[in-house]
Amino acid sequence: KQEVTQIPAALSVPEGENLVLNCSFTDSAIYNLQWFRQDPGKGLTSLLLIQSSQREQTSGRLNASLDKSSGRSTLYIAASQPGDSATYLCARGDSWGKLQFGAGTQVVVTP
Amino acid sequence: KAGVTQTPRYLIKTRGQQVTLSCSPISGHRSVSWYQQTPGQGLQFLFEYFSETQRNKGNFPGRFSGRQFSNSRSEMNVSTLELGDSALYLCASSLAYGGADTQYFGPGTRLTVL
Repeated sequence: KQEVTQIPAALSVPEGENLVLNCSFTDSAIYNLQWFRQDPGKGLTSLLLIQSSQREQTSGRLNASLDKSSGRSTLYIAASQPGDSATYLCARGDSWGKLQFGAGTQVVVTP
Repeated sequence: KAGVTQTPRYLIKTRGQQVTLSCSPISGHRSVSWYQQTPGQGLQFLFEYFSETQRNKGNFPGRFSGRQFSNSRSEMNVSTLELGDSALYLCASSLAYGGADTQYFGPGTRLTVL
């Protein structure tokens, strides 16, 4: 059974520290990997999309890497801010466009 | 450009009733997917529509159905509601079919079944 796992489930860091969020998946036949952010009671905001042929994507303070051979993706958020507090979800995409989500990592950045 | 919109934002229904949720994709997007989010099961894929055709379906009972119109707007219907159907229902749109593009999500419809 294909699975997407995110560890840890929760993370608290002081403002200014770098955040490292992990995502692992069991099926290396991945089409793409997408990272999302979800604020309480809200929908999902797309952060980064990495195609299977890519190794990383960057947007501002965010950088996401993809290692298909080890079944891992990592999201780095540099110089965290209180506004980065949210739940971060990774999702494995297949060629049909279906996303399989991890359970998420709840992040709290304290001032 | 307007984002994905979903209506209504909140719904309260009783067991046995049926409900219809609506999703308007980003202008120009032709693929619409639906997901159910619950505290216990997380985010689960319901189905995807492209050019008015259901292309992919998740592992949900037949009480869950949907359709897509020629303007790409989509509706999702749940019949004979059960308590376990209480969830946040999210729809997502993307430019093309096949997973190559970023999926953009709407704010969701919060359904409560009493």
